[in-house]
Amino acid sequence: DTAVSQTPKYLVTQMGNDKSIKCEQNLGHDTMYWYKQDSKKFLKIMFSYNNKELIINETVPNRFSPKSPDKAHLNLHINSLELGDSAVYFCASSPLTGELFFGEGSRLTVL
Amino acid sequence: GIQVEQSPPDLILQEGANSTLRCNFSDSVNNLQWFHQNPWGQLINLFYIPSGTKQNGRLSATTVATERYSLLYISSSQTTDSGVYFCAPGGSSYKLIFGSGTRLLVRP
Repeated sequence: DTAVSQTPKYLVTQMGNDKSIKCEQNLGHDTMYWYKQDSKKFLKIMFSYNNKELIINETVPNRFSPKSPDKAHLNLHINSLELGDSAVYFCASSPLTGELFFGEGSRLTVL
Repeated sequence: GIQVEQSPPDLILQEGANSTLRCNFSDSVNNLQWFHQNPWGQLINLFYIPSGTKQNGRLSATTVATERYSLLYISSSQTTDSGVYFCAPGGSSYKLIFGSGTRLLVRP
């Protein structure tokens, strides 16, 4: 059983399109995250949710909108995609204090 | 915010060798984790170690929080240890700051 699963694993799309990435965790954790990893492998947090409430919102463009329907799910919707949005997006979860577990990543390529 | 510096940036080892990776951080932290990103891109949590020493098989980690550094030891390295090792300190799990990583290549 995959602990943190995200879909799709690969996304190729044109500039200006809208896309969503879904994430689910079955670890019973209260906190979920979205991280972005750029082409130089630099990892940066985008959003953090605790029990469906947004607690961290880094300086991310408004085109990125997370949504947490329940504490086991955290989705990421991106409007009006730009070339610079190309990256690998990782979902993660953790207990309130403790280890962070990552999903396998979703590679987004914007053409 | 917290500044994180990992060294060395790149490391090449012969299989069987030992190595130490270092992580320096600029502020006091309540949380520090080490991760391995394998060549297929998977990010695996190695240690949750805000202070003290932990061991897991051939890997061990030590964090000296008062001196703001953490060390990851890899003994008897194997080709499967190749990848990027990230240190991530933070005030909490909510906001870990990832270092730029140490890229390790273990040659057979």
